[in-house]
Amino acid sequence: DTGVSQDPRHKITKRGQNVTFRCDPISEHNRLYWYRQTLGQGPEFLTYFQNEAQLEKSRLLSDRFSAERPKGSFSTLEIQRTEQGDSAMYLCASSSWTGGVAAFGPGTRLTVT
Amino acid sequence: GENVEQHPSTLSVQEGDSAVIKCTYSDSASNYFPWYKQELGKGPQLIIDIRSNVGEKKDQRIAVTLNKTAKHFSLHITETQPEDSAVYFCAALPTRGSNYKLTFGKGTLLTVNP
Repeated sequence: DTGVSQDPRHKITKRGQNVTFRCDPISEHNRLYWYRQTLGQGPEFLTYFQNEAQLEKSRLLSDRFSAERPKGSFSTLEIQRTEQGDSAMYLCASSSWTGGVAAFGPGTRLTVT
Repeated sequence: GENVEQHPSTLSVQEGDSAVIKCTYSDSASNYFPWYKQELGKGPQLIIDIRSNVGEKKDQRIAVTLNKTAKHFSLHITETQPEDSAVYFCAALPTRGSNYKLTFGKGTLLTVNP
């Protein structure tokens, strides 16, 4: 059981730079989610994929954010022209087609200086 | 959309005591209620869940109760141990509409003092 993995675990970048995060879900899970968590808050939904199709994007996801899941396996989340307000933990989760339990990855902590 | 309120925000107990965390939700369409434990620097880990057709579920020292009429659910941890110290989150999932989108509470920092 490899679980959900995310890379990198930590990223420090300067304001205005682009960053890309990767998520590898549990292999048999066809649903993949991205959440964002700021200090002292619960995770907030960003976007959802069923296989390779992105079926919902939160209003939290501005046009500087883009997510892909090209082959229905791993996913990437890119943030362009980062801002200090983007500093957060970005969590990936996956679940089976039944949409039940979501297994979360360890997260990528982004710090924008 | 769904709104989940969680209380208390911090909870400190002595080892061996019980801890109770309470959540309320707003959307009567929600029917799945998981609880997650998050340790420092890690992602949330599912510890127990309950569906709306059940009023109570227990797994060793952890139990969850659900009152659908009142729209609230609670996590009970008995015989607490120092390793139970973490942030706990409740969440709700609707049956219709965005039935894949978990809405989380703001979390409870549980400290178990030896």
